Amino acid sequence: DAKTTQPPSMDCAEGRAANLPCNHSTISGNEYVYWYRQIHSQGPQYIIHGLKNNETNEMASLIITEDRKSSTLILPHATLRDTAVYYCIVNPWGETSGSRLTFGEGTQLTVNP
Amino acid sequence: GAGVSQSPSNKVTEKGKDVELRCDPISGHTALYWYRQRLGQGLEFLIYFQGNSAPDKSGLPSDRFSAERTGESVSTLTIQRTQQEDSAVYLCASNRGASYNEQFFGPGTRLTVL
Repeated sequence: DAKTTQPPSMDCAEGRAANLPCNHSTISGNEYVYWYRQIHSQGPQYIIHGLKNNETNEMASLIITEDRKSSTLILPHATLRDTAVYYCIVNPWGETSGSRLTFGEGTQLTVNP
Repeated sequence: GAGVSQSPSNKVTEKGKDVELRCDPISGHTALYWYRQRLGQGLEFLIYFQGNSAPDKSGLPSDRFSAERTGESVSTLTIQRTQQEDSAVYLCASNRGASYNEQFFGPGTRLTVL
C-alpha cells in the first residue's frame, strides 16, 4: 500500500475553509484516495474518496492533483464540530483483502472560535 | 437505523487474564473488520471477515489474538493472557463488502491491562 504524509496539526478559524493536504507520491494506478476523520473518543467516520477527478459531497471537497501524487481535503465552512483527526488513506479498489484501511497518524485539525 | 455497536465500552483487566470483546455490525453488512488503536496513534488492521469466506487474519499481532464471527452477524475478538502492551482501543467496522468504500465504525472498546 502507498504511504501518505500529512502535517501533524493545523488550525482554522470557525467559518473559514479548512484545507488539509496529503502527499501520496508512490500511489499506484488502481489506488483510491480516501479521507476519514475521528472526533475525540469516537470511531472514525468516512468523509469522501476519489481516484483522479475532483469530488464533492455534503461534507467536503477532494482535490487530487493531475499526477495524483497529492490531494487536498477542503471543508468549506469549518465549524467547531469539525475539530478532529483527519486521516488520508490510499487503498486499492475492491481487493480480496476487503479494502482494509491502513491509517497513519493523520492531521489534528483544531477549529477555533 | 442502528449503527455498529461494541461492548463493553471499557474493560479493565489484569495482566494474564483473557478478555472477549464483542461487535454487532450493521444488519446486512457482510464484511466486518477489527482494528486496534494505541494511544495517540493511527489504526492498525487486525482481521477481516467477508461472508462465509476464510477470514484474513494477517494483521493479528500474535497467537494470543483470535476472532470469530457467526455467519454475517456478531463477532468476538478474544485476547488470551493479556499483556500491558495490549492496552488500546479496539474498533470494529462493517460494510457491504470489498467493493464498497465506506466502512462504518463502532465506538470502540477501551481495554486497559494493569
